[in-house]
Amino acid sequence: GAVVSQHPSWVICKSGTSVKIECRSLDFQATTMFWYRQFPKQSLMLMATSNEGSKATYEQGVEKDKFLINHASLTLSTLTVTSAHPEDSSFYICSAQAMGTGLGNTIYFGEGSWLTVV
Amino acid sequence: DAKTTQPNSMESNEEEPVHLPCNHSTISGTDYIHWYRQLPSQGPEYVIHGLTSNVNNRMASLAIAEDRKSSTLILHRATLRDAAVYYCIPYEGTSYGKLTFGQGTILTVHP
Repeated sequence: GAVVSQHPSWVICKSGTSVKIECRSLDFQATTMFWYRQFPKQSLMLMATSNEGSKATYEQGVEKDKFLINHASLTLSTLTVTSAHPEDSSFYICSAQAMGTGLGNTIYFGEGSWLTVV
Repeated sequence: DAKTTQPNSMESNEEEPVHLPCNHSTISGTDYIHWYRQLPSQGPEYVIHGLTSNVNNRMASLAIAEDRKSSTLILHRATLRDAAVYYCIPYEGTSYGKLTFGQGTILTVHP
């Protein structure tokens, strides 16, 4: 079964509103999680590194005030897309590495969340 | 980050072996070679990884060149469920899970 879970799997929101996507590690604790964005027929692009108990680290070109990341616990990171616009429509994916567990330090990905802004 | 080169696409017939190549000539000595695959509309899935020696698991085999500048993912008997985008990613183990994805190889499996 999945060891990293995202919710919701898909969401439609109106332009100008905000939407929150959750990423949970189910079988392990993760001090660091990652958020990626993937546009159709393109590869995954790293958006930011989510750090438990501290600020996220954003990749160049990613607006930190638009993509708010909160990592309040060792098993949950959230990505909030604020004032969403149609160009934010994408597939958002999170990941985490299961370190120091029986899962063998493997990097696990969530199922992804489809965001459509209308 | 080490740059990788993979074929844009490959095709195979069901139950035949598939060899997916990856060139990573700038890989550092401490980078592992990870392979992930992504089925349509899903998050990536771990396939296999190795450092220097060839590796086998229930999903695939990984053959690593002696100079580590290239590797080949081997699916011994392709099934329709193996149709996916396959990514070869050099990974430095202290990166806490941060991966840099290239374009990958789109594998099509014909019945």
